[in-house]
Amino acid sequence: SQQGEEDPQALSIQEGENATMNCSYKTSINNLQWYRQNSGRGLVHLILIRSNEREKHSGRLRVTLDTSKKSSSLLITASRAADTASYFCATAPVGGGGNKLTFGTGTQLKVEL
Amino acid sequence: DGGITQSPKYLFRKEGQNVTLSCEQNLNHDAMYWYRQDPGQGLRLIYYSQIVNDFQKGDIAEGYSVSREKKESFPLTVTSAQKNPTAFYLCASSIVAGFKGYGYTFGSGTRLTVV
Repeated sequence: SQQGEEDPQALSIQEGENATMNCSYKTSINNLQWYRQNSGRGLVHLILIRSNEREKHSGRLRVTLDTSKKSSSLLITASRAADTASYFCATAPVGGGGNKLTFGTGTQLKVEL
Repeated sequence: DGGITQSPKYLFRKEGQNVTLSCEQNLNHDAMYWYRQDPGQGLRLIYYSQIVNDFQKGDIAEGYSVSREKKESFPLTVTSAQKNPTAFYLCASSIVAGFKGYGYTFGSGTRLTVV
């Protein structure tokens, strides 16, 4: 089952602009994670935010979590062409069995020169 | 360097054949996972294992089988019972640490095509 839904499905911006993508989920979670996937490759872990955290930063990435709205956002600042990829949120549901993750459907980001 | 190795990168299967996808990790992770990704879609969980000699079905286990005889290895067999096996298969591993959670490390994937 798909727990998370990313919005928008696709996003096209110019280099240097900020990119924001959102994730909504349905059940209570222990943590939420964001991953990047370049075309035809495996996923790369970007950042993890726990259910008792509201905001987290890592380099040009900023993630927020609102457990009351069951939503998260990923902000990439000062985007670069190399940021072109698909971005997925993944949730670890409470009682979901260890670290089992459920992935969303992804946002395709294109950063143009 | 530590990581996950999936092989082969491309695999072609004839109708009625079973095929096995390899996944090996040297990260000393306890948990391993298999996901399937269809074009333009998210990942769906096939099977996962949190300890040697134990594994659980995910959301779409029908037509697949796995084994976990060694900590480092978690092969996936796509059987002839899987009606639509053409997809991109991803293996991942992680530390198991209760509710705290840790990120997954993914392999580079195997693209399976039925011919």
